[in-house]
Amino acid sequence: DVKVTQSSRYLVKRTGEKVFLECVQDMDHENMFWYRQDPGLGLRLIYFSYDVKMKEKGDIPEGYSVSREKKERFSLILESASTNQTSMYLCASKYPSPRDYGYTFGSGTRLTVV
Amino acid sequence: QKEVEQNSGPLSVPEGAIASLNCTYSDRGSQSFFWYRQYSGKSPELIMSIYSNGDKEDGRFTAQLNKASQYVSLLIRDSQPSDSATYLCAVRNFGNEKLTFGTGTRLTIIP
Repeated sequence: DVKVTQSSRYLVKRTGEKVFLECVQDMDHENMFWYRQDPGLGLRLIYFSYDVKMKEKGDIPEGYSVSREKKERFSLILESASTNQTSMYLCASKYPSPRDYGYTFGSGTRLTVV
Repeated sequence: QKEVEQNSGPLSVPEGAIASLNCTYSDRGSQSFFWYRQYSGKSPELIMSIYSNGDKEDGRFTAQLNKASQYVSLLIRDSQPSDSATYLCAVRNFGNEKLTFGTGTRLTIIP
């Protein structure tokens, strides 16, 4: 089974801190994604990457950046954490089409910014 | 109009009955369709995928796709309390690697 591992299950950070969320997958997936999930708003795409050193903005990239130095690792960075970034963060990965098997999600990181 | 729409629910179904979840999408170029189940506080897990018109069955789950009408549905037969969760519909559009998700339907199975 593909495993997508997120480094922290729960995280509490202070306003203004720089926050790193790590995601590692073990199945050579080219595509990786970062979402946040909030009640009533569903899953919103922050950033995604089709391959190493490639990144694309999603629907809500403001206040975030990403890094993909190795194929298996995709990091989300909150440059200066704010309370409105309190959320559940989900990492996902998949093969590129036509190997169309959908996403595999990590277990999520629930981030609280105080 | 949202790209992928689902009724938010909650949808309550008696144990043993059939639960029917529906999803409509706006892009006629959509190619691939997925149903994810998400338990409270957990991440989504893939339960069904469907790519061509018609029905696809896997155990108690049946996915139905009608591209002409732009809807996809999920039927859960013999519903169990463990099926109580939020079900997310996701669509991949042609030429696009990312999935677009609906906001989910919360399903409650009543014992």
